[in-house]
Amino acid sequence: KAGVTQTPRYLIKTRGQQVTLSCSPISGHRSVSWYQQTPGQGLQFLFEYFSETQRNKGNFPGRFSGRQFSNSRSEMNVSTLELGDSALYLCASSLTADLAYEQYFGPGTRLTVT
Amino acid sequence: SQQGEEDPQALSIQEGENATMNCSYKTSINNLQWYRQNSGRGLVHLILIRSNEREKHSGRLRVTLDTSKKSSSLLITASRAADTASYFCATDARSGTSYGKLTFGQGTILTVHP
Repeated sequence: KAGVTQTPRYLIKTRGQQVTLSCSPISGHRSVSWYQQTPGQGLQFLFEYFSETQRNKGNFPGRFSGRQFSNSRSEMNVSTLELGDSALYLCASSLTADLAYEQYFGPGTRLTVT
Repeated sequence: SQQGEEDPQALSIQEGENATMNCSYKTSINNLQWYRQNSGRGLVHLILIRSNEREKHSGRLRVTLDTSKKSSSLLITASRAADTASYFCATDARSGTSYGKLTFGQGTILTVHP
């Protein structure tokens, strides 16, 4: 069974631009969560989607948004990029939304904002 | 905010030795998971222990959970150079709004010298 895939793997953007990251979960997984990892703040939860519905959202500004499609693939969007948005963005998929099962992570998208 | 605190922040050992990492958390949990991350890549799921379990084994890994002390430990026996990585504990809060949200510790950087 293929693992979680994320595209692109690396991205360089300039301040003020917007970016869209994509995540394809493991086949059969319906829950997709997104996390931001930075050296200063560590791993922080962005949001979670299950059956195309956002079930939970972390403490991030409205510039961070996401969505999930009927095939469970998910995208996250960051508008008006700031230097502080430079980070490794990780998505994770799980069978259900209640964390009774393991979350499996993709390789991440490394975003650099200049 | 980071719920988990991991100890030590860095650990350096020789191949063949055992490595023990500790994790403390603040709120009641349903499950606790341990992950490994190699050099800024994606997280690899190691083991999940439920709140009603006290100990779990997987290959060279042994995890304990003490919910009364809100702490967990990860023991890697007979360490190998390939075990060099950052190790994170992650918890899900016993809350109705915790869908998909894992709260991570800051991690322990393990270096295993050949």
